Amino acid sequence: DGGITQSPKYLFRKEGQNVTLSCEQNLNHDAMYWYRQDPGQGLRLIYYSQIVNDFQKGDIAEGYSVSREKKESFPLTVTSAQKNPTAFYLCASSKQTGTGEQYFGPGTRLTVT
Amino acid sequence: QKEVEQDPGPLSVPEGAIVSLNCTYSNSAFQYFMWYRQYSRKGPELLMYTYSSGNKEDGRFTAQVDKSSKYISLFIRDSQPSDSATYLCAMSENSGGYQKVTFGIGTKLQVIP
Repeated sequence: DGGITQSPKYLFRKEGQNVTLSCEQNLNHDAMYWYRQDPGQGLRLIYYSQIVNDFQKGDIAEGYSVSREKKESFPLTVTSAQKNPTAFYLCASSKQTGTGEQYFGPGTRLTVT
Repeated sequence: QKEVEQDPGPLSVPEGAIVSLNCTYSNSAFQYFMWYRQYSRKGPELLMYTYSSGNKEDGRFTAQVDKSSKYISLFIRDSQPSDSATYLCAMSENSGGYQKVTFGIGTKLQVIP
């Protein structure tokens, strides 16, 4: 079955540690995205990538980093510079052209204490 | 003013009721309009997308777009307890060859048996 996988589902880290969230897709989509979802704030775009080896900052990129070495993979690193990292993180992908509809993974709940 | 406005609810309806969910927008450049359903602690699932003004039906769901009023709606007929979820509207525009998507905050729906 085609889809997007994110792992792990729940992640716990101590403050000051970097943590990497995994996102893999087998939909053959060119574009991939990372969002953060907080209660009452909706989805906020962190980073996106339209092609391999290229990515752009979204609206809230500070404290995050990404890489896009393979079409299928778009890992997100939450660095210690992110002031409020506890959130629900969602990865999505879409075709490069078309209507822009995005398909989401199941999400990773990150808790930093 | 946000580009996309959506009442967060919660909206509670009895089973079998017709549900109307709505979003307004201010950006005339939006071309495609989507509705997502998100169950608690899960990733959003694409329900429907549409391009032109008018109605699009899929089973119990009808998406309606009125570009002149900058208003979109999702109707759910014969609502079921399994429809209880948060519904997000989303709209996309072409931004330098990339379909930029803006999401509403989501409306939480509860269908009471």
